[in-house]
Amino acid sequence: EDKVVQSPLSLVVHEGDTVTLNCSYEVTNFRSLLWYKQEKKAPTFLFMLTSSGIEKKSGRLSSILDKKELFSILNITATQTGDSAVYLCAALNQAGTALIFGKGTTLSVSS
Amino acid sequence: NAGVTQTPKFQVLKTGQSMTLQCAQDMNHNSMYWYRQDPGMGLRLIYYSASEGTTDKGEVPNGYNVSRLNKREFSLRLESAAPSQTSVYFCASSEGTLGYTFGSGTRLTVV
Repeated sequence: EDKVVQSPLSLVVHEGDTVTLNCSYEVTNFRSLLWYKQEKKAPTFLFMLTSSGIEKKSGRLSSILDKKELFSILNITATQTGDSAVYLCAALNQAGTALIFGKGTTLSVSS
Repeated sequence: NAGVTQTPKFQVLKTGQSMTLQCAQDMNHNSMYWYRQDPGMGLRLIYYSASEGTTDKGEVPNGYNVSRLNKREFSLRLESAAPSQTSVYFCASSEGTLGYTFGSGTRLTVV
């Protein structure tokens, strides 16, 4: 059975801290790994990772995929209260017909 | 620039009632999806439609039916609502193996 596992499930940090969110996957015919941010409404797209070892970066957020070890990490540096959200990891199959989500990591950043 | 539009945003049903959740996208995407999100469970795929005229079951299809009315619209029907179907429902669309775009969600409560 295909599955995506995220850890930790929740995290509380202080503003300015750096956090690392983890995602491991077991998906038949894997194509890509996606990260989303969800703030009480629709998930918003952060990154799509298809190749191993190539870091994607957007401001203070970065992510990398390891296709050999079947995991990805999402790093957030110099966290701000606006980073408080649920971060969802999802694995996409080759055909693009199934996006399988993990349960999410709830990040709380206190000021 | 609407993206994916879902209606209604909120709904309360009594057990046994039926209703249809509507979803429309204006991005000319071929594929559309219905997910449900429950606390601590991430997003789970109910049904998807890889292209106009086709629909397939996802992880949790029981109690639901779908209709891909045309390329733009994909509706989800609950024939006889049950309290276990209380959830937040998200519609999404995608093209090929690009990332998914989500609607803003429908919060459904079955009492």
